[in-house]
Amino acid sequence: EVQVVESGGNLVQPGRSLRLSCTASGFTSAGYAMTWFRQAPGKGLEWVGFIRGTSYGGTPEYAASVRGRFTISSDDSNSIAYLQMDSLKTEDTAVYYCTRWSPYFYNGMDVWGQGTTVTVSS
Amino acid sequence: DIVMTQSPLSLPVTPGEPASITCRSSQSLLNSNGYNYLDWYLQKPGQSPQLLIYLGSNRASGVPDRFSGSGSGTDFTLKISRVEAEDVGIYYCMQALKIPYTFGQGTKLDLK
Repeated sequence: EVQVVESGGNLVQPGRSLRLSCTASGFTSAGYAMTWFRQAPGKGLEWVGFIRGTSYGGTPEYAASVRGRFTISSDDSNSIAYLQMDSLKTEDTAVYYCTRWSPYFYNGMDVWGQGTTVTVSS
Repeated sequence: DIVMTQSPLSLPVTPGEPASITCRSSQSLLNSNGYNYLDWYLQKPGQSPQLLIYLGSNRASGVPDRFSGSGSGTDFTLKISRVEAEDVGIYYCMQALKIPYTFGQGTKLDLK
């Protein structure tokens, strides 16, 4: 079964760091762009960024709101993507979702995880 | 950034009746490859989003054929031919042509 599972969400103080993981199964992340979205409480969806699989250069892209604070990486040998979040702000409080899309032929974000909750509060 | 605007924001529908949601983008989503990089997602209550339509008009795997997407350039429509109880939730359009990917505000569909 093709799926992704997020983990690592927690309550953290402003200014601290947290790392989220996205473990893929049923496919290899090297052939996809592993993507992070987030949803603040009661709000809509926001794109955070993605990392292209090693088959496509392995380069990341970020939303302006997180660039310089968040880092997306991947261990394609184990099909795990990471979202390293530094200098967290209260406005980063959200459910974080991991998804994938294919750079070979775009067919949407076709697999979503259940999400992991990050709460930034003192 | 490309701004996505959906309407209506609230959509009460009688089961069995059709429903339609429009999405307008501030820039054309038509790529040089001939595809419109516009997706539709549904977030059912308490669940993660799920893909309904990609590239403007292609139904994702497992999506019932009562869902259809159309449009090109800057104007797109999601249609449900006959709404069922399981279709309740928030519908989002998203453009994937340019970074940052951006969403519409969401359309909340519920049953009358």
